[in-house]
Formats: sequence, structure tokens, C-alpha cells
Amino acid sequence: DIVMTQSPDSLAVSLGERATINCKSSQSILHSSNNKNWLVWYQQKPGQPPKLLLYWASTRESGVPDRFSGSGSGTDFTLTISSLQAEDVAVYYCQQYSATPTTFGQGTKLEIK
Amino acid sequence: EVQLLESGGGLVQPGGSLRLSCAASGFTFNNYAMSWVRQAPGKGLEWVSAISGSGGRTYYADSVKGRFTISRDNSNNTLYLQVNSLRVEDTAIYYCTKEVSTYGYFDNWGQGTLVTVSA
Repeated sequence: DIVMTQSPDSLAVSLGERATINCKSSQSILHSSNNKNWLVWYQQKPGQPPKLLLYWASTRESGVPDRFSGSGSGTDFTLTISSLQAEDVAVYYCQQYSATPTTFGQGTKLEIK
Repeated sequence: EVQLLESGGGLVQPGGSLRLSCAASGFTFNNYAMSWVRQAPGKGLEWVSAISGSGGRTYYADSVKGRFTISRDNSNNTLYLQVNSLRVEDTAIYYCTKEVSTYGYFDNWGQGTLVTVSA
């Protein structure tokens, strides 16, 4: 199975500042079939199910604010929140869908400093 | 609007069984693969099982293979997960999810149903 490792496990950022979360896969998830990285990011707020933020590593889901962006390729990926808002407090997960079984990172808890 | 409504969770003893259901609406159900994803209390996400739109293909995580069975009723827009031989480590919120095309990621999640396995 592909192992997804996120860093850090938790992060505290001041309002209006940039937050950066990393995700590393144990093998490349860049697919030759479409030259895209088969990775998504989810946001999970307390007591709620996860919400899809980004797919293909960097494409925002409809309705997701543009302060959320994704980057990276191959095995190393980053989720960036350009200017942290109070409503962004959540746990963030990456997921690879390049290989079966699909696997998730362990999550990164984002809090306000 | 896509809606996924799970039911069937509860408290069960080790070795017991439950049948989880997910009523889907707001999309053409039989056009989409569906999955169950679980989350143990305070822990991360774990994919459990998937089924193709027609129901002809099913997939399982190694941790549940041989104990869980996924199925669907496309005439009633309902997804099921039969969970047998339950273990304490199966305790989790079980989410019903809609897959995007055949790619294996999830654009819609239900609110989940809690399965607690305890003596």
C-alpha cells in the first residue's frame, strides 16, 4: 500500500498569516495516463464529515475559496492557506487515489495562534 | 443537491453483526461508484470498501476482507455494508461516500453512523 505521511501533525498560525501543510507519499502518484498527480485534500471541521478541497493535487473544488492552493508533484505535496481565517480551523487530510487501496495521511490539525 | 444519509449503527458485542445503510438522493445513483470510509474516535480516515455503479465489482480493505460485504440496490438508491464478526477495533464512524467518476476520491460524504463494538 502507498503510505501517506503528513507534516506537521499540528500547526498553530495567526489569523491572516500563511499556513502550510505537507504530504509525502511512499511512491510516486504521478500517473502517466494523464500526467496528473492523483492526490486530493480534505478539510474536516469538528463534528462534521470531511469536505473535498482540492483534487489532482491543485484543482480547487467548486466553492472553495482561492486562499486554498495545492502544489507538488511525484511524492511531495503542499496545501497552502494564504491568509488564515477563523473558519479554517480544522483537520486537513491528503489522500492518494493512484493505487488501490486508496490511502489517507494521518491528518494535520490546524489551530489559531 | 446530493444527500447521503446513513443509518444502522449502534452498540454491538464483539463477534456481532450490523447492517449499515446509506440512502442516496440528488444524483443518478447507478452512475457512480460508492465507498464506505471509517474513522475511529479521534483518529484518521480509513477506506473500507467500494462498489461499482452496477454493483458488479466490489473491493475491500485487507482489515475487513471476509467479514464485511458491500452491496447496493440501484432501484432504491441505497448502499449497504453488512458488517460481521465485529472486533473492538472496528469501532468507528462509518461514512458513506460518493466517488468521482472512477477515480477513487470522494466529492460527497454523509454525516456518518457510529458503530461501537464493546462487551
